[in-house]
Amino acid sequence: EVQLVESGGGLVQPGGSLRLSCAASGFNFRGYDMHWVRQAPGKGLVWVSWIRSGGSGKTYADSVKDRLTISRDDAKNTLYLQMNSLTDEDSAIYYCARGGCSATSCLADWGQGILVTVSS
Amino acid sequence: AIQMTQSPSSLSASVGDRVTITCRASQAIDNDLGWYQQKPGEAPNLLIYAASTLQSGVPSRFSGSGSGTDFTLTINSLQPEDFATYYCLQDYNFPWTFGQGTRVEVK
Repeated sequence: EVQLVESGGGLVQPGGSLRLSCAASGFNFRGYDMHWVRQAPGKGLVWVSWIRSGGSGKTYADSVKDRLTISRDDAKNTLYLQMNSLTDEDSAIYYCARGGCSATSCLADWGQGILVTVSS
Repeated sequence: AIQMTQSPSSLSASVGDRVTITCRASQAIDNDLGWYQQKPGEAPNLLIYAASTLQSGVPSRFSGSGSGTDFTLTINSLQPEDFATYYCLQDYNFPWTFGQGTRVEVK
């Protein structure tokens, strides 16, 4: 069974930093692209970032570029999101998701999400 | 970035109804579109990928169609557990973009 468990969220002051983790199990983590998606309270889903299997490719939504950094440690089966220079607009539930559906793209499995609140 | 326009933003329906949700892309995206269901307090769940392929374990009352710019999610014979919010997502190119969501409510 695929499991994705996010951690590292919480309350942070504006301008602060936070690192989210996503522990993966139940599948060959190193063989899959991974993503982060976020959802502000009461709002819709927003795709945030992608990292290729092996880590050689990464990309970001324009709203987070240069402030958020995605990475992975395949030895630890863990995905990360380093979040710097946070603003209140970054307050959201952050989901990690496994990419891949046969030969095409999708967000096949999701974690339960972790709440990040940016507030003074 | 590709804009995804989803409609309606909400709808009211009864158990047994047929429900249709549409998504329009601001440019052609082949069939690179997925549909996701989200219930309150839960993570989203993949229903359909590649516009029309049903994800394993998803009931056959869900179906998807479309290609290019116009896509449709249909729920045949709505069930009580189907009251939720539905999102389309284009995975044609980065940045991936979601529609704004359609909330399916009890009539």
